[in-house]
Amino acid sequence: DAKTTQPTSMDCAEGRAANLPCNHSTISGNEYVYWYRQIHSQGPQYIIHGLKNNETNEMASLIITEDRKSSTLILPHATLRDTAVYYCIVRVANRDDKIIFGKGTRLHILP
Amino acid sequence: DTAVSQTPKYLVTQMGNDKSIKCEQNLGHDTMYWYKQDSKKFLKIMFSYNNKELIINETVPNRFSPKSPDKAHLNLHINSLELGDSAVYFCASSQERGGSNYGYTFGSGTRLTVV
Repeated sequence: DAKTTQPTSMDCAEGRAANLPCNHSTISGNEYVYWYRQIHSQGPQYIIHGLKNNETNEMASLIITEDRKSSTLILPHATLRDTAVYYCIVRVANRDDKIIFGKGTRLHILP
Repeated sequence: DTAVSQTPKYLVTQMGNDKSIKCEQNLGHDTMYWYKQDSKKFLKIMFSYNNKELIINETVPNRFSPKSPDKAHLNLHINSLELGDSAVYFCASSQERGGSNYGYTFGSGTRLTVV
């Protein structure tokens, strides 16, 4: 699976949109972009995924650049409960061997 | 109404012991997994188990063995525990192989400390 690069940490004010970037310049054509988050002392939680089109669900939006080499996860109205580590992963669908969640981005939502 | 539950939440044991961590999912998912999160916070897949087919990450020592009595359970048995096995172990499940459509649902983790 392709590797990803994310900022180590970010701050965002409560109520504002949190935009979390991810670089995946070596992504291949059959690899999807997945986002998970891990709140302290909990297991990771699936947020969203996409292949090349932008995606939106009740939790977040995912914007993937046209060349697919980077993406941005958007939390439209961040709350204190969104404070977590956010992981961006690229992987082939239906393949789960060798999956590694990297260090992710530690997002702090400020009151 | 926990979807993926693991027990115990904390486990402290001595080197050389054999221990098991239990995992149960009530989601009706077809595939279950074990992940290990080490001290550097990297989360790596160890096993996936689907319809009696076990896929192993080749980096996992054979002291680790998953056991699935039925589709809703995937327990992790560890023989001859070593200090380096100290980590947080997460069980997960997905509707389909690889969690490609809806992602994985994770349990809350078991913190294993080997002394």
